[in-house]
Amino acid sequence: EIVLTQSPGTLSLSPGERATLSCRASQSVRSNYLGWYQQKPGQAPRLLIYGASSRATGIPDRFSGSGSGTDFTLTISRLEPEDFAVYYCQQYGSSPWTFGQGTKVEIK
Amino acid sequence: EVQLVQSGAEVKKSGESLKISCKASGYSFTTYWIGWVRQMPGKGLEWMGIIYPGDSDTRYSPSFQGQVTISADKSITTAYLRWNSLKASDTAMYYCARGAVAGTFSVFDIWGQGTMVTVSS
Repeated sequence: EIVLTQSPGTLSLSPGERATLSCRASQSVRSNYLGWYQQKPGQAPRLLIYGASSRATGIPDRFSGSGSGTDFTLTISRLEPEDFAVYYCQQYGSSPWTFGQGTKVEIK
Repeated sequence: EVQLVQSGAEVKKSGESLKISCKASGYSFTTYWIGWVRQMPGKGLEWMGIIYPGDSDTRYSPSFQGQVTISADKSITTAYLRWNSLKASDTAMYYCARGAVAGTFSVFDIWGQGTMVTVSS
């Protein structure tokens, strides 16, 4: 089973700042099958990124994904008030698919 | 509109059985994988398993294998998650979600609203 470790656990930033979230896999993710989700309190997760770097439909271009192999990054170029939430990475290259434990982006 | 609508919240006792549902609409139900994800109170997302409704091919996370049963009824475009004997530790929000690409494993692009299951001992 691939274990995904996200860091930091919490990121305290102000609106307009840049957010950099990390997701590290315990072994290489096949074909960079790595996705990112955003979850706000009381809501279901929302898909942001798939294939490590492709934005899902309707996702603003301030969200970008990068990385390959075992190291992946989600970058939010300029935080908007609605971006404060918890972010999860997920690998879907090997069964069982797994999620990281999440990074909370909070308002500083 | 593509959507997944889950059944309502449940309150059960330890040892009871339960089956929750996920009704799909707006797309070809038999050609996209559907998965189930657990979120315990205040915790992260856990992948439980997935099913391909076209042929009922089902995969489970080792953590949930033998603990739950995933099924689907093509005739009513509905997926299910079943427990035979609930435990207090099954208390959680359960989400169903659709694989984004027809016929293959992929990220989850459409999510249900979640079903809260509360199990008292």
